[in-house]
Amino acid sequence: KNQVEQSPQSLIILEGKNCTLQCNYTVSPFSNLRWYKQDTGRGPVSLTIMTFSENTKSNGRYTATLDADTKQSSLHITASQLSDSASYICVVSLPGGGNKLTFGTGTQLKVEL
Amino acid sequence: DVKVTQSSRYLVKRTGEKVFLECVQDMDHENMFWYRQDPGLGLRLIYFSYDVKMKEKGDIPEGYSVSREKKERFSLILESASTNQTSMYLCASSPYRGRYTEAFFGQGTRLTVV
Repeated sequence: KNQVEQSPQSLIILEGKNCTLQCNYTVSPFSNLRWYKQDTGRGPVSLTIMTFSENTKSNGRYTATLDADTKQSSLHITASQLSDSASYICVVSLPGGGNKLTFGTGTQLKVEL
Repeated sequence: DVKVTQSSRYLVKRTGEKVFLECVQDMDHENMFWYRQDPGLGLRLIYFSYDVKMKEKGDIPEGYSVSREKKERFSLILESASTNQTSMYLCASSPYRGRYTEAFFGQGTRLTVV
């Protein structure tokens, strides 16, 4: 069973609309939780990074939240743009040195006109 | 800007060939990683290294080996390529420790084994 599960698997929204992507994790304890954006055929690029003690972190139109009690995180995208079409990956980092990461399988987002 | 550079974007190799995937980072990071990414499976760790000449197996090391002779360079080696190694390969680097340590990824190498 994957320790980091994301939903939905895919999502289509109209340009300008908001959306929220979900991440449930069982990895515990963890050092930090990250959201990455991966364009097709490219490597992932970091959007936000939160430690276990943080509740929210924003990066422009992207806002991530973290509830350590329920082991859930969400990524909210405001006023979506066509360029937001990508895979969004939730990643949990294990504590200690070495920085080992546990990846979700991603949510494929498509923004249409 | 941190740069993680993979030597090739696309590769096509024949079954049984020895394949080298190269990765170079310019931020003096201690950690370097090799992942493969397949549809529906997400990124899976093949090997990682936290220092020169040090390596540790990840979740799926079978059929792969690695080399880290210099801090900035981490190579993934497919000793005898097979069709089930057709995949997207991603290299990443990060500092050794810290709560906000960031992992930076290369652009990926799409390997096709025929």
